[in-house]
Amino acid sequence: RKEVEQDPGPFNVPEGATVAFNCTYSNSASQSFFWYRQDCRKEPKLLMSVYSSGNEDGRFTAQLNRASQYISLLIRDSKLSDSATYLCVVGLRGKLIFGQGTELSVKP
Amino acid sequence: GAVVSQHPSWVICKSGTSVKIECRSLDFQATTMFWYRQFPKQSLMLMATSNEGSKATYEQGVEKDKFLINHASLTLSTLTVTSAHPEDSSFYICSALRGREGIKKLFFGSGTQLSVL
Repeated sequence: RKEVEQDPGPFNVPEGATVAFNCTYSNSASQSFFWYRQDCRKEPKLLMSVYSSGNEDGRFTAQLNRASQYISLLIRDSKLSDSATYLCVVGLRGKLIFGQGTELSVKP
Repeated sequence: GAVVSQHPSWVICKSGTSVKIECRSLDFQATTMFWYRQFPKQSLMLMATSNEGSKATYEQGVEKDKFLINHASLTLSTLTVTSAHPEDSSFYICSALRGREGIKKLFFGSGTQLSVL
């Protein structure tokens, strides 16, 4: 079983749509959780950290369920510029473990 | 502006040659840097943790004699792919931790696309 597993994708959605990404992690000792965004052949960029209480940043909402070892990211009113690969990342013992990413393509 | 500088961005080389990739922290000291590799459509895989002034810690399955890491200063870590072969073609990316204990943030270099012919 992969340490961090994400929806396989790709997701193709129209502008303005709401899209949800799901992620599960295998190690219950995981300590920190993030969503990163990666454009093609570029470095990943931190989108947001994920907290147990859930957190929101504009159109982006992240949720964490430690009991289910599940993380989600919701993007509302998607824009063309949201097209990218979204990486679920888990921190464990000082290291970051990346999911394989879910590609999002937002069409006009 | 960039917090971590990685150079070069692209490398094309012949099989058997060695390639050096540099990762520099700008305006801060990084005692720890990380090196990742990413194959197309796959996740970033941690190769090794580079520690200033000491030996790097390699992940299971990563050959330390193949991927030489040197972290001789607080702002520079280098990854040398020795005797590169086509299967080493990949996107290599470094990262560095910046900040004080408990409030650290990870910054990535812009990555190096290596193509071995």
